This record gives sequence, structure tokens and C-alpha cells, in this order.
Amino acid sequence: GAGVSQTPSNKVTEKGKYVELRCDPISGHTALYWYRQSLGQGPEFLIYFQGTGAADDSGLPNDRFFAVRPEGSVSTLKIQRTERGDSAMYLCASSPGPTNTEAFFGQGTRLTVV
Amino acid sequence: GEDVEQSLFLSVREGDSSVINCTYTDSSSTYLYWYKQEPGAGLQLLTYIFSNMDMKQDQRLTVLLNKKDKHLSLRIADTQTGDSAIYFCAESGSGYSTLTFGKGTMLLVSP
Repeated sequence: GAGVSQTPSNKVTEKGKYVELRCDPISGHTALYWYRQSLGQGPEFLIYFQGTGAADDSGLPNDRFFAVRPEGSVSTLKIQRTERGDSAMYLCASSPGPTNTEAFFGQGTRLTVV
Repeated sequence: GEDVEQSLFLSVREGDSSVINCTYTDSSSTYLYWYKQEPGAGLQLLTYIFSNMDMKQDQRLTVLLNKKDKHLSLRIADTQTGDSAIYFCAESGSGYSTLTFGKGTMLLVSP
């Protein structure tokens, strides 16, 4: 596609529910990143994929968070047993490769846990 | 761990120059970046500088890097109301793949 696409743009869920957030990177980009941005803060790194594998998942806050990229293109961030503290903007970015200097961000998914 | 600090707010008048400052702690930073975020939108890469450079100019944007003091600045010449946004400084650490962001500087440009 022309840019990084994230769906849904907004998601409201009840505490304790499971959610999936989707990221469609720019076609041909092998590197994909997930970040979380809380209100009034800068984005914080969650996980980085190179191809199908998670090259660095050190930013995932706990084992309720998991992400996959089974075919090396679309990625899904999965959050189990959501908590109110998970409410944030979830941003996805992609770049042509791991040593490329430019990462292109999507518009984000605003997750609200009530 | 790595830390990136920015002033939180800057207000300027249209036509003036804006200077947004950033300090970072990771001495092994490879690249340093400036991103722009408008309300409700994702991040737009404005410019970046390699750590062995001290200046980069791109149209109205000038980036200055003082590696000794770990200080980065973004100067916007002839600031316009459309430049009102939050500006994030970020560094890539010793690798290229992941970024550490500051909390952002809100730039308000008044007519």
C-alpha cells in the first residue's frame, strides 16, 4: 500500500477482554515495529520484527502482550485480559530493512479500556 | 537505560524562527531524529542526522548536533501556523532498529 495502515483506528473494550490490533506495513518493507504512546508521552518501543521473526521483544511490558507476523507482512498485536492501564495509542512503523534509517509510521490505533 | 529529554512547550509568532532543544544520554547513538505529530495523527519523519555530523540543513529545517554535550536542536525558519504540532526527538542507540523518544515539545505558532 501507499503507507502503513493500522486497523481499527479506535477500539473501546471492557477490562478483562482480549483485543487484536492490526498493522499493514508498506509493501516490501521487511522491518516492522510496534510502539505504545500514552497521553502526554513519547512513543515507547514494544517489539521489532525482521521478516517473520521477532528480533527484539524487550519492550513488551508483560506476558499479556504478544505479537505475530506469520508471513512477514501484516502483523497483529494481541493483548489478553486488558487493563485500564493498557489504554494508549498503539503505533506501528515499517522500514525497508533493519539498517535503514527511515521508519514510516501509521496513524495508530487508539485503545481505550473501560 | 537511554534517556531523551526535551522542553515541553514553545510558543512563537508566525514568521519567527523556532528552536527546539533535546538532550540524550546514550553516547553510542547512531542516528538522531526529529518527528512531527499533529493532533490525532501518527508520526511524520522530518529529518535525521548521523552521529558523526554536526549540522544538517533541509529547506526551512536546520539540525545541529553537539555530540560532546549530547545536545540536539531543530531550528525551523520562518515558522508558519501549519508548523504547530508536537515535535519528538529520538535516538537509535548503537543499532538502527529501535528508537528511544523524548516526551515531545508542543510548538504553538500564533498569527
